[in-house]
Parts: sequence; structure tokens; C-alpha cells
Amino acid sequence: NAGVTQTPKFQVLKTGQSMTLQCAQDMNHNSMYWYRQDPGMGLRLIYYSASEGTTDKGEVPNGYNVSRLNKREFSLRLESAAPSQTSVYFCASTLFVGRAYEQYFGPGTRLTVT
Amino acid sequence: LAKTTQPISMDSYEGQEVNITCSHNNIATNDYITWYQQFPSQGPRFIIQGYKTKVTNEVASLFIPADRKSSTLSLPRVSLSDTAVYYCLVGEITDKLIFGTGTRLQVFP
Repeated sequence: NAGVTQTPKFQVLKTGQSMTLQCAQDMNHNSMYWYRQDPGMGLRLIYYSASEGTTDKGEVPNGYNVSRLNKREFSLRLESAAPSQTSVYFCASTLFVGRAYEQYFGPGTRLTVT
Repeated sequence: LAKTTQPISMDSYEGQEVNITCSHNNIATNDYITWYQQFPSQGPRFIIQGYKTKVTNEVASLFIPADRKSSTLSLPRVSLSDTAVYYCLVGEITDKLIFGTGTRLQVFP
């Protein structure tokens, strides 16, 4: 199993450009998430998808859109990038075992907006 | 949402046991307590999760008192490779979890 994979690993954008961050998991998990992590800070939830076909806003959704393409893939789109969106973006998926759960994270995408 | 408070940083030496305590006074009945480890330039990695009393796995132990208002992550005999940020999270489901700034553990030789 590859686990959670993310592409690209690095990206530099100019203000106003758009791009899509890709995420895929091969663990057959229902729930997937997008987080951002600014330097020296904890992770903040942007959007999540509890199951295929559903998406919901997290703590910091402004400036982002998401698509849950199928059970495996969950993409994050920046329509008009801003310097404040410079961050590391992590995708995650969750395994539920009864009421317990375990979240698996991807390696991250480092985005710089100039 | 249960807010957590943990020390900003801790120092230790190789071979010592490290205990990181997390306070979560407003934990709800169905909330689980989960700890993650994060190395620089990597995503967080699940360490351990518990609901009450004590949980142990090959990496760590988690101690939760009866009132569940705090928890302690115990790392036995740390090594240099345990230098990382450790996050304590409390919640029922992952879409409601809030990552704080974590505890930065520095292990010295």
C-alpha cells in the first residue's frame, strides 16, 4: 500500500494564479481531509469529506474549493492564489474501528505564493 | 469542541523516560484522546489513542485518569530520533479535531 499520496510536492504560484492539489489514498477509507500548516503552527482543517459525494467546510475554508472525485481521490483547488495561502498542505484519510479512529497523513505539498 | 493545553517545549536526554501531559478540562463523554508525532517536513503520524485508564503499544503508553480531564503520553527510553513535535487531540470524530501548537520535544545525546 502506498498509503496517502499527494502531488505535487512543491509549487510556486504568482498571486492570482490557480492550481489544484491532488490527493489519493489506497486504503479504502471513507473519510478524507485537507489541512494547512503554517510555520511553527499546528494543522488547521480546510475541508473534509466524510464519504464519497459529500464535502464540508472546516476551520479555514475561504479561498479554497474541494472535489471528492471518487472514494480514492480528494482534490483541493485554489482559484486565485494569495500570499496568505503560502503554507504546507496535508491530505489525510481516516480508518474507523468501532468508535475509535486513526488518521493517516500524506507527505505534504509545499506551496509558495509570491 | 474540547480544547487542549500542553507544554510548548520539553528537553530530555537519550535513555530517559519522557512524560508529556495534556489538559482537556471540557472533554465530552464520547471523546477519544489521540496523540500524534510530527517530524520536520513530514505529515503527522498517529502514535496512540485511548478513552480511559491505560493504553500501551510498541511505541508509547497513554495514561488517562478517571476524570479524563488530562492525559499523559509516556515515551520510554527516548532516543535522538524521538525529537519531534507531539500533538494531543481530543474529539469524537476526526472532522472535529483541532491541532494546537503541540509540544516540541528535543532529545539531547
